[in-house]
Amino acid sequence: EAAVTQSPRNKVAVTGGKVTLSCNQTNNHNNMYWYRQDTGHGLRLIHYSYGAGSTEKGDIPDGYKASRPSQENFSLILELATPSQTSVYFCASGDRAAYEQYFGPGTRLTVL
Amino acid sequence: GQQVQQSPSSLVLQEGENAELQCNFSSTATQLQWFYQSPGGSLVSLLSNPSGTKHTGRLTSTTVTKERRSSLHISSSQTTDSGTYLCAIGTGGADRLTFGKGTQLIIQP
Repeated sequence: EAAVTQSPRNKVAVTGGKVTLSCNQTNNHNNMYWYRQDTGHGLRLIHYSYGAGSTEKGDIPDGYKASRPSQENFSLILELATPSQTSVYFCASGDRAAYEQYFGPGTRLTVL
Repeated sequence: GQQVQQSPSSLVLQEGENAELQCNFSSTATQLQWFYQSPGGSLVSLLSNPSGTKHTGRLTSTTVTKERRSSLHISSSQTTDSGTYLCAIGTGGADRLTFGKGTQLIIQP
């Protein structure tokens, strides 16, 4: 069974602080994605990656950076967290051949 | 940009009834994936069906690409089917998915 894990699962941060969300996949998929989910907006793509060393902007990249140091790991970085970034964040890995995505359990981030 | 509209936004059924969920999209899709989101928030891929009809268990998806629509039929619904069903499409190289806002399904015993 494909596996995508995220850490931490819950995070409370202060405004202006730095937050790093981590994602690990054991699917050996080339593509990885970061989304946020908010009531009324659904899932929105923040950043994604085609492989180690690559990061691409999604639909709402402002205020976020991403890092893909290896095939397995993809991080989302909030350099200066703001309350508007309070949300649930999902990581996913993608099989390019089948065009399917598989999601992690999500991280609930609260910025006070 | 691409738009994905799901209907109905919510649906309440009695256990044993069949559910029919709709997904309409604005661009030609080369990929279409249905997801289930549990009340606890976890997201699970149900099936991938960019065209034609696909079955898995009690689920049947029919996608008519030319008409830019897809449906998800759940037969003999169970209380454990309760949750939110999301439709997502990919276009072109389909490395990216655009999600609809989902249909909340409530199955009453």
